[in-house]
Amino acid sequence: QSALTQPASVSESPGQSITISCTGSSSDVGGHNSVSWYQQHPGKAPKVILYDVHNRPSGVSNRFSGSKSGNTASLTISGLQADDEADYYCSSHMNSRTVHFGGGTKLTVL
Amino acid sequence: QVQLVQSGAEVKKPGASVRISCKASGYSFVTFDITWVRQVPGQGLEWMGWISAESGYTASPQKFQGRVTMTTDSPRSITYMELRGLRSDDAAIYYCARTQGLNFFDPWGQGTRVTVSS
Repeated sequence: QSALTQPASVSESPGQSITISCTGSSSDVGGHNSVSWYQQHPGKAPKVILYDVHNRPSGVSNRFSGSKSGNTASLTISGLQADDEADYYCSSHMNSRTVHFGGGTKLTVL
Repeated sequence: QVQLVQSGAEVKKPGASVRISCKASGYSFVTFDITWVRQVPGQGLEWMGWISAESGYTASPQKFQGRVTMTTDSPRSITYMELRGLRSDDAAIYYCARTQGLNFFDPWGQGTRVTVSS
């Protein structure tokens, strides 16, 4: 059982927006602004799409955005494209350089 | 470009040890930590720990303490992760990732599949 809770799956049509939640506790998500999101296509290594809640690494589309409220972080993908279909994982720093991952969310673009 | 290249797939018997290498290129090796993450096929990501490439300091969750050892060979820009006492549930894909800040893993290695079978 993962320390951070994500919905197992979400689906939406191309061009629409979708939000994936990541719920932790005051010890991880709620206590730090060190939440990252990773995209993983089948058979590939994960790729970071957001870090420190809402920062995008160079080269990542601005269709990906992040936020946090209390113990829940959120990833929003706007203008859904077929290539966005993937698994998405959140992660959060905890104390003493410990990291928790969410269980992952499978995004289906209908 | 910044790249991490991992060693090839391994097949091990229960109780054995496996050592995976992760060779960095395209940046100053000692400037960034390296994190190890594993993924049982079809399941989620599991954090295994990290090592400071500068000092060699390591940290890992209690679940792996006593079984995992992370080391670096700085002149060759290589990080190693050894897992001992392999069990069937250690069968997974193991990834290394360059670590920026507390929780920003980029890039990742290509992954190393470890199979545990008698």
